[in-house]
Amino acid sequence: DTGVSQDPRHKITKRGQNVTFRCDPISEHNRLYWYRQTLGQGPEFLTYFQNEAQLEKSRLLSDRFSAERPKGSFSTLEIQRTEQGDSAMYLCASSPTSGLTGELFFGEGSRLTVL
Amino acid sequence: GQSLEQPSEVTAVEGAIVQINCTYQTSGFYGLSWYQQHDGGAPTFLSYNALDGLEETGRFSSFLSRSDSYGYLLLQELQMKDSASYFCAVRDEGSASKIIFGSGTRLSIRP
Repeated sequence: DTGVSQDPRHKITKRGQNVTFRCDPISEHNRLYWYRQTLGQGPEFLTYFQNEAQLEKSRLLSDRFSAERPKGSFSTLEIQRTEQGDSAMYLCASSPTSGLTGELFFGEGSRLTVL
Repeated sequence: GQSLEQPSEVTAVEGAIVQINCTYQTSGFYGLSWYQQHDGGAPTFLSYNALDGLEETGRFSSFLSRSDSYGYLLLQELQMKDSASYFCAVRDEGSASKIIFGSGTRLSIRP
């Protein structure tokens, strides 16, 4: 299966620690997105990349969050000095540039629990 | 800014038809999408409407009225496996590549 993969699937950390999530998109997809989802809510946009360029970052995202996609392939999302409010599912999605529908292909997510 | 509104919960009977509505506010519009998400799973794409009218894909259909800033997802011949959350989504007004999701409608199917 060559879908979007995310690692780790689950992460439990203590408040104040740093965490990093990795996303491997579908190989031919140029666009890569990060979303955050809490229980009972829809995915909330965090940031997206076109190849290695980070084209937009949510204003809701504090400077504790940073994302990279150094070679236009996999991406990492780092959260520094985690807070309990960061507990959520972090979803990665990819899409082809040429897609007319803008369909996003999501990974299974990385669930973060901050104690 | 943009906003999407959809009912938080809908309950229906197995074998019946259910409609999930979505209204949106956006200054620019590139299309309305629908996604399905089962508990513990990833959102998966169902449909996309860029123009007014009905798009049918098997038991699922999606409708769009751009003049009313309104769309709906219609699910027919409901099956227990259709129990899931359904999200409408629009492309961002400033960037067609940024996709914004509604808060979702949780559909529960009763036998």
